[in-house]
Amino acid sequence: RKEVEQDPGPFNVPEGATVAFNCTYSNSASQSFFWYRQDCRKEPKLLMSVYSSGNEDGRFTAQLNRASQYISLLIRDSKLSDSATYLCVVNNQGGKLIFGQGTELSVKP
Amino acid sequence: DAGVIQSPRHEVTEMGQEVTLRCKPISGHDYLFWYRQTMMRGLELLIYFNNNVPIDDSGMPEDRFSAKMPNASFSTLKIQPSEPRDSAVYFCASRAQGPNTEAFFGQGTRLTVV
Repeated sequence: RKEVEQDPGPFNVPEGATVAFNCTYSNSASQSFFWYRQDCRKEPKLLMSVYSSGNEDGRFTAQLNRASQYISLLIRDSKLSDSATYLCVVNNQGGKLIFGQGTELSVKP
Repeated sequence: DAGVIQSPRHEVTEMGQEVTLRCKPISGHDYLFWYRQTMMRGLELLIYFNNNVPIDDSGMPEDRFSAKMPNASFSTLKIQPSEPRDSAVYFCASRAQGPNTEAFFGQGTRLTVV
């Protein structure tokens, strides 16, 4: 079993749609969590950190459920520019950063 | 700061040749990571360093792969001998101490072994 698992998609949605991505992790001692975004043929970049209380950044909302070892990302009012691959990231003991395989999102006009 | 710098950006080599990828992390960052990305396997962690010391190399595929960090501002990933299945994009990333710090990636090296 992979340490971090995501639905690879692709998710094809119209502009303005709300879309949710899910991620599960296997190490219950994981310390911190992130969502990264990767555009085609580019390097991954931090989208947002994920906090236990849940956090929001504009149209983006991240949630963490430690009991279920589950992380989510919600994108509201999706834009064409949101088209990218979204990577779930877990920070384990010792600073080890593990990436999920990524979920591809395509927003269509 | 110029960010994480990787070289070369592209490398095409023949099977059996030695390949060396280079990385300069962001100054002051304590962690350095080497990842490999392919369509099939996604972004795989190969090895990471803390304060120039290798902490976990369990992701290194086999003995043909080796990584070094002789000082805080430089790391190399070497493949010897290279094989076609090593073709991938290799990313280097660095981050500061602390569980919530952001990892910054270099632009990657696209390796093709023919």
